Amino acid sequence: QVQLVQSGAEVKKPGASVKVSCKASGYTFTSYYIHWMRQAPGQRLEWMGSINPSGGSTSYAHKFQGRVTMTRDTSTSTVYMELSSLRSDDTAVYYCARRPDDWSANWFDPWGQGALVTVSS
Amino acid sequence: DNVMTQSPDSLAVSLGERATINCKSSQSVLYSSNNKNYLAWYQQKPGQPPKLLIYWASTRESGVPDRFSGSGSGTDFTLTISSLQPEDVAVYYCQQYYGTPYTFGQGTKLEIK
Repeated sequence: QVQLVQSGAEVKKPGASVKVSCKASGYTFTSYYIHWMRQAPGQRLEWMGSINPSGGSTSYAHKFQGRVTMTRDTSTSTVYMELSSLRSDDTAVYYCARRPDDWSANWFDPWGQGALVTVSS
Repeated sequence: DNVMTQSPDSLAVSLGERATINCKSSQSVLYSSNNKNYLAWYQQKPGQPPKLLIYWASTRESGVPDRFSGSGSGTDFTLTISSLQPEDVAVYYCQQYYGTPYTFGQGTKLEIK
């Protein structure tokens, strides 16, 4: 079955960077865009950006441009999301999710299990 | 950005009764060239990622019980659960995918009365 498995929880200090992985299985990795969202405690879900695993092209939300980098490794069917210059308000659960095989269909299913990133001094 | 506002923030409904959740977008999500509304609904249970329920505002995802239905167009949308079951206790989110940044509602917490 289609599955996205994310790396584990991380604790980082302010100013550091974090890199979260998302390993895909059960489908052709290069055929579906992967998107990243985050959910801070008590806050709504927030879209961060996306990556096309086929060519590696990316699209980032304006809010995160300059701080986020999404990459992929086709040999391991894994995408990565790196967020730099971490602040306390970056504390959140970070999710990867797959988009359907339709350029206009940007809903998300399935989702990874989430990775908690805690930023604390 | 297209701001998504859900109402109510929380809702308590008796088992077997109807639950209705509303979602309003600050900009229309209806694409005139194909007459489709670019809106999805998700269910999130504690400690789990969101689960897709509905897309194109009213198309039920495969495997989702038919007691879940979506309606609306343009800027106003509704998720209806026709007969509440215990397993429906969750937080529900709407999401627009008309344009980036894709945005979500603040969530509606559904509980049993």
